[in-house]
Amino acid sequence: DTEVTQTPKHLVMGMTNKKSLKCEQHMGHRAMYWYKQKAKKPPELMFVYSYEKLSINESVPSRFSPECPNSSLLNLHLHALQPEDSALYLCASSRGGLAGVTDTQYFGPGTRLTVL
Amino acid sequence: AQSVTQLDSQVPVFEEAPVELRCNYSSSVSVYLFWYVQYPNQGLQLLLKYLSGSTLVESINGFEAEFNKSQTSFHLRKPSVHISDTAEYFCAVSAHPQGAQKLVFGQGTRLTINP
Repeated sequence: DTEVTQTPKHLVMGMTNKKSLKCEQHMGHRAMYWYKQKAKKPPELMFVYSYEKLSINESVPSRFSPECPNSSLLNLHLHALQPEDSALYLCASSRGGLAGVTDTQYFGPGTRLTVL
Repeated sequence: AQSVTQLDSQVPVFEEAPVELRCNYSSSVSVYLFWYVQYPNQGLQLLLKYLSGSTLVESINGFEAEFNKSQTSFHLRKPSVHISDTAEYFCAVSAHPQGAQKLVFGQGTRLTINP
């Protein structure tokens, strides 16, 4: 099973709402990633978790709060977002560890977020 | 710092014609290069990757890419494209800071196949 699942598929929220995005994998991967992708642009890395610890935060605003409750799950908590945060949010996972630089990342289908 | 340049933002071709999508990289350390494909309304999928060894790498669906160190290139080719190859293609180079992989993507090339 090489599947990464993401829920919900679509999300519309107001600027005062609190919502969460969920990502799950059962491949035994120990590295998990959040990306933001605007239309006609490449994915931009937001966060990386390695062995359930936050490894990389690409200077993401605090209104995005990641959480890795266990090795299979990755959440992204959203609060007080702005309309410019509307985008496709992609989750990915890879084996991780010392050979991580040669890893294949497996991407989920994404959550399309619209902030009104 | 590592970077990737995809020289063409859009490439239109006719079905069954050959295609080449260009990618140039910049890296001061060991180079690991990837091509990912994104079909409409989907996440990215690995197409192929170069880690070491043979400079020509192939995918299961007929694409191939050649690592050329002297020209710092990793161009993607297919001898005969199909309508189903319509997608966005991203070239990426891998870094390994702090025990996790960081992919640096190019801007992407939109491949459009015309019947």
